[in-house]
Amino acid sequence: KQEVTQIPAALSVPEGENLVLNCSFTDSAIYNLQWFRQDPGKGLTSLLLIQSSQREQTSGRLNASLDKSSGRSTLYIAASQPGDSATYLCAALARDYKLSFGAGTTVTVRA
Amino acid sequence: EPEVTQTPSHQVTQMGQEVILRCVPISNHLYFYWYRQILGQKVEFLVSFYNNEISEKSEIFDDQFSVERPDGSNFTLKIRSTKLEDSAMYFCASSMVRQPQHFGDGTRLSIL
Repeated sequence: KQEVTQIPAALSVPEGENLVLNCSFTDSAIYNLQWFRQDPGKGLTSLLLIQSSQREQTSGRLNASLDKSSGRSTLYIAASQPGDSATYLCAALARDYKLSFGAGTTVTVRA
Repeated sequence: EPEVTQTPSHQVTQMGQEVILRCVPISNHLYFYWYRQILGQKVEFLVSFYNNEISEKSEIFDDQFSVERPDGSNFTLKIRSTKLEDSAMYFCASSMVRQPQHFGDGTRLSIL
């Protein structure tokens, strides 16, 4: 069974600092790895999706890398802003097409 | 951009009552999913649906749960006799092929 772990569980940084969020998964036989943002009490906003054949994806200040062989993905957020404060979830799509989610990293960016 | 739409955004129900959560997937999508997130816990897969039948379900998806695509646009999750522990955010998702899955904003279900 796929297990997805996110470290750290929470992170507080001053505005302008770069963020590094880590995600690990136990079964490397995945189709893709997706990063989501979730605001308190709200839905899931998809940020980046990396296919299993890709090494990274970029969108604006966000960059996500994938190392399938070691079961790791990292989300980098450059020049953080208070509006980046949220919980960030990673999810791995396994061969049975079930998404397995991590528990998330809650980010606070202090102005 | 097309969206997955879920209604209601918040549902409050008495324990033991039946509840139906509704989803309108993206129109040309063929695969449909329900996930749930209990407060403070991980998002968990419940069920996937294709060609008018369940293709995968988790251990959570027991006999009190059912899914249906009653017409060409809606996809519903029914919980027959709700329990306190069914309180959660329920997310619907759809995909054209098996991936990527596009998520709705969720329905918060509160069981009293």
